[in-house]
Amino acid sequence: QQQVKQSPQSLIVQKGGISIINCAYENTAFDYFPWYQQFPGKGPALLIAIRPDVSEKKEGRFTISFNKSAKQFSLHIMDSQPGDSATYFCAASKTGANNLFFGTGTRLTVIP
Amino acid sequence: GAVVSQHPSRVICKSGTSVKIECRSLDFQATTMFWYRQFPKQSLMLMATSNEGSKATYEQGVEKDKFLINHASLTLSTLTVTSAHPEDSSFYICSASQGMRAGGSSYEQYFGPGTRLTVT
Repeated sequence: QQQVKQSPQSLIVQKGGISIINCAYENTAFDYFPWYQQFPGKGPALLIAIRPDVSEKKEGRFTISFNKSAKQFSLHIMDSQPGDSATYFCAASKTGANNLFFGTGTRLTVIP
Repeated sequence: GAVVSQHPSRVICKSGTSVKIECRSLDFQATTMFWYRQFPKQSLMLMATSNEGSKATYEQGVEKDKFLINHASLTLSTLTVTSAHPEDSSFYICSASQGMRAGGSSYEQYFGPGTRLTVT
């Protein structure tokens, strides 16, 4: 059973546009929601993370929006660049547990 | 900070042989290390969790006798794929964490660059 559902599977965005990736979860015990960026042949790198006590977190061009009542969170990449082309994974975990539950990934392609 | 290395980055081995992959946290002490497997264009699948000095906890469906995990120190964990077969060919990724903060929230996981295993 997929604990975290992610969409879309793939996304093509023009340079300068906004990339939006969505995730949804069922387990209300989850209280940590990170996003990872992975380039081909490399391990995932932590991009940005949020806890449910805030509804939004922004770091540079990357913003996480969090909707606790809907059990959804999303990643927004502003002014998308070709260098942002990668696979993005959302994840979730809960206090007292070490392991992360990953979404299925979104392959982002930013066209010049 | 928070750098995790893996060695080797790529390995090709013959069917029936064993392969060892090392995962090291370079600038922090990793109380907990995780091993993942990733198939092409798919998500990461957690194989096992290991805490320093204790036996690894394997996820359902992962053969512990085939995938031997040793977390010998706070900076090193190894994954040994025993009697490898072509179906074991995959991208193996480790991650490391400082474990739990006082109060129960987890430290972030930092991922290694991965090891591409090809079994011929």
